[in-house]
Amino acid sequence: DSGVTQTPKHLITATGQRVTLRCSPRSGDLSVYWYQQSLDQGLQFLIQYYNGEERAKGNILERFSAQQFPDLHSELNLSSLELGDSALYFCASSPDRGYTGELFFGEGSRLTVL
Amino acid sequence: AQKITQTQPGMFVQEKEAVTLDCTYDTSDQSYGLFWYKQPSSGEMIFLIYQGSYDEQNATEGRYSLNFQKARKSANLVISASQLGDSAMYFCAMREGSTDSWGKLQFGAGTQVVVTP
Repeated sequence: DSGVTQTPKHLITATGQRVTLRCSPRSGDLSVYWYQQSLDQGLQFLIQYYNGEERAKGNILERFSAQQFPDLHSELNLSSLELGDSALYFCASSPDRGYTGELFFGEGSRLTVL
Repeated sequence: AQKITQTQPGMFVQEKEAVTLDCTYDTSDQSYGLFWYKQPSSGEMIFLIYQGSYDEQNATEGRYSLNFQKARKSANLVISASQLGDSAMYFCAMREGSTDSWGKLQFGAGTQVVVTP
């Protein structure tokens, strides 16, 4: 158990809909990262938050947005969903900015868009 | 440009044999970290081993060792005495040291390993 909690574990929805994925980082971790894993794109970095502020942005679509709340949990919002958004979405966390070790991954939220 | 390259999409290995998974990377930073993660069919990402760019010795963790060749920019994972439970997808990843990287990891495409009895 990495200590990172993601909900829901599985989600099935229709094209055009909007979903919210939630992530609770390990206790004390200030950074939260979101990754998307799909068959054709592999593991893609989406976005990172540090202590409530956006710090790094990757290949995140404009239809996607995220935020980190004062209690450090994070949400990834996916809107106007398309079939191609079906993927496993991971949240990971790490301690403060100077940390150089591994990221701690949640078990992922598997999104299926029909 | 690809930062992390894993050229082996998949491989079979017999139980109790050793296997080497290739990983090459591209960075202009002097300070960086290299990581290997394992993803079994259940989907979770399991951290295996880490190598810092300034570490002079190759990292080892139990049956896992990292063959770090800095001049060649390679960080191959060696799994000794393979077990059936080692069947999984293996990802190589890099964290660059520049301040604007902010700690994110960049992943390779992965290598699917199947261990056979």
